[in-house]
Amino acid sequence: SQQGEEDPQALSIQEGENATMNCSYKTSINNLQWYRQNSGRGLVHLILIRSNEREKHSGRLRVTLDTSKKSSSLLITASRAADTASYFCATVSRGGATNKLIFGTGTLLAVQP
Amino acid sequence: NAGVTQTPKFRVLKTGQSMTLLCAQDMNHEYMYWYRQDPGMGLRLIHYSVGEGTTAKGEVPDGYNVSRLKKQNFLLGLESAAPSQTSVYFCASNLGREQYFGPGTRLTVT
Repeated sequence: SQQGEEDPQALSIQEGENATMNCSYKTSINNLQWYRQNSGRGLVHLILIRSNEREKHSGRLRVTLDTSKKSSSLLITASRAADTASYFCATVSRGGATNKLIFGTGTLLAVQP
Repeated sequence: NAGVTQTPKFRVLKTGQSMTLLCAQDMNHEYMYWYRQDPGMGLRLIHYSVGEGTTAKGEVPDGYNVSRLKKQNFLLGLESAAPSQTSVYFCASNLGREQYFGPGTRLTVT
C-alpha cells in the first residue's frame, strides 16, 4: 500500500492547548495537503504545502514539511472544542498529472472544553 | 452552488445485488474521484476521471465500475455486492490542487 501513516492515532487535549499531528509518507511528492473530517461528514481542505516549502501558516494552523525525512506536521494552536475532528494528510506524487491524493490513516483529535 | 452531492446517503444491500452511486458537481471541475473509507484505513482511491468520457483505475478498483458520460456526473457501480464492500464512499472533484468532497454514502452489504 502507498498509504502514509499519521501519529498519534488519537489525541485528547484541553481547550486552549496546542495539538500537534505528524504524517509520514513514502514517495517523492509534488505537494502535501491536510484535510479535516467532522464525524459523519466529508473531508474539508485545510492547507497545502509545496515540496519546495518548509513551513506554512494559515490562521491557527502551522504546517511543516521535511522532504528528506518524508514527513510533515500540523500544529493547531489555542485549540477549541470545535476543532474536534479527524485530520488527514494527503500527498500528490511528483510527476503525477492527475492530482491523485494518497491519504494517511488519520489522527482523531478530541478537544475537551 | 451545491458543490459536490452524493446519492443516496445510506443503502443496505444483500450479497450479490447491484447498485449505482451517483456523484454530481456544479463547479465545472475536470477531475473527479471515488474513494472508500474504512476504519483505521484513511481514504483509498477506487477510480478516477480526468475529464468527460475518461476513467482510470485507482488503488482498489476490483469489484467496481465507473462512468463519466457527463462532465458534472461520476457514477460508481457495484455489479455484485460483497460484504467486503461495506464502507463509506466519498466522491470528490477538483480543478487545481485541493479536492472538494461530497458528504458520503454509507453502504452496508449483508
